Amino acid sequence: GAVVSQHPSWVICKSGTSVKIECRSLDFQATTMFWYRQFPKQSLMLMATSNEGSKATYEQGVEKDKFLINHASLTLSTLTVTSAHPEDSSFYICSARDLDGRTPAHYYEQYFGPGTRLTVT
Amino acid sequence: AQSVTQPDIHITVSEGASLELRCNYSYGATPYLFWYVQSPGQGLQLLLKYFSGDTLVQGIKGFEAEFKRSQSSFNLRKPSVHWSDAAEYFCAVDPTDTGNQFYFGTGTSLTVIP
Repeated sequence: GAVVSQHPSWVICKSGTSVKIECRSLDFQATTMFWYRQFPKQSLMLMATSNEGSKATYEQGVEKDKFLINHASLTLSTLTVTSAHPEDSSFYICSARDLDGRTPAHYYEQYFGPGTRLTVT
Repeated sequence: AQSVTQPDIHITVSEGASLELRCNYSYGATPYLFWYVQSPGQGLQLLLKYFSGDTLVQGIKGFEAEFKRSQSSFNLRKPSVHWSDAAEYFCAVDPTDTGNQFYFGTGTSLTVIP
């Protein structure tokens, strides 16, 4: 089955530094990747939609300059948290959509990564 | 407002008992519907999905869900719960008119007692 990986799985950084999180589709090509944020005991909130070769679309309330998204290839999207602060500490999850649009079963399939735990001290 | 509602924040069941987790949505058209499970500190695993056709869908790990258009519901069921089913369960909706964007419910935390 389709696999999505994230790296790192967890990271601790100091306040004011930047952190990059990678999301890779390992065995399929993904034109679209999504980035979610999940606070403890809460649901996933969509942060942005990342399309290969174009600018990401951010959800309302998400700071574009703080959460930089780059989708340079069909298998890799990165999320950079710039000038991180303790309130940015969260669980970040990406998902990737399979390119195969020939059938509904594949077209709407999203595969989720295992998540990255970010702690800002 | 459009939303996905999981009315039960937390459910406790005995091992071997049956389980039903509720999910209601308020999107106009018939959306695509999904159930995911998340173990602590882990990503999401797809349990089952509904696109069209038979309103009762079977998933992995013995789970099933039934789509009821009249009630805008997509409840998840399992006839006999195992201790390993303890996790967080999320219902998700793709309205199909927003570019394959998912909206998640608030989640239901399941505790299984011996």
